[in-house]
Amino acid sequence: DQQVKQNSPSLSVQEGRISILNCDYTNSMFDYFLWYKKYPAEGPTFLISISSIKDKNEDGRFTVFLNKSAKHLSLHIVPSQPGDSAVYFCAASGGSNYKLTFGKGTLLTVNP
Amino acid sequence: GAGVSQTPSNKVTEKGKYVELRCDPISGHTALYWYRQSLGQGPEFLIYFQGTGAADDSGLPNDRFFAVRPEGSVSTLKIQRTERGDSAVYLCASSLMGGPGEAFFGQGTRLTVV
Repeated sequence: DQQVKQNSPSLSVQEGRISILNCDYTNSMFDYFLWYKKYPAEGPTFLISISSIKDKNEDGRFTVFLNKSAKHLSLHIVPSQPGDSAVYFCAASGGSNYKLTFGKGTLLTVNP
Repeated sequence: GAGVSQTPSNKVTEKGKYVELRCDPISGHTALYWYRQSLGQGPEFLIYFQGTGAADDSGLPNDRFFAVRPEGSVSTLKIQRTERGDSAVYLCASSLMGGPGEAFFGQGTRLTVV
C-alpha cells in the first residue's frame, strides 16, 4: 500500500520554464513533508520541506505547496535549469516524526 | 568527513553468504537510519537508532537482517544468508535529534547477490 504516491515517473521541461512535480499521500497522520533530489550514484539530498501548519514554503527557485484537504503537495521549480535534472522524491513523516515514507520518485529532465 | 560515509560503495556476494555494510554518520548526530532502495522504488525504512539503541526496527524484512550501533556513532547493517532479493542500494542517513526535519543521506552501498 503506497502511502506516498508520485504518479508521474518522468517529466521533461525546457530550460527557463517552470517544473511542477506532484505528490499525493493517503495517511492522515503525516504532518511533515520533504522533497529530496537524487543524482545517479549519490544519496538523496534534502531540498525543501513544509509543515502541515503551512500551505506554502519558498526557498529561492523552489516552492512547495501543500493542500491538506486534497492530501496533495507539489514542488515548483522556477526557472528550471539543466542542473536540476535528477530524480525527485517526495517524503512524509508523522506521529513519531523520525522515519520517512518516500514516493517512487519522478525523473526530471531539463533540456537546454 | 563532513557528510555521511558508507562503505563499501559496491558489494557483490554469492547467495547464502553473510555481509556487513558500514555507516559513519555526521559527527554529533544522535539519530541514524537505514533505508533500502530497490530498483524503481523510493527508499524504504528499515531501522532507526537514537544513540546506541534501536528505537524502531519495524522495517527490517526478516530475522536475517540485523543492525548495531554499539557506541552511538558508527553503525553496521548485517545480512545473513543473503538472497537474490536482497539486492538493492542500502542507504544510511543521520540527523541531529531525530525529530521532524531533514535527514542527511550517504551515497549508499549497492549490494548485488548473485
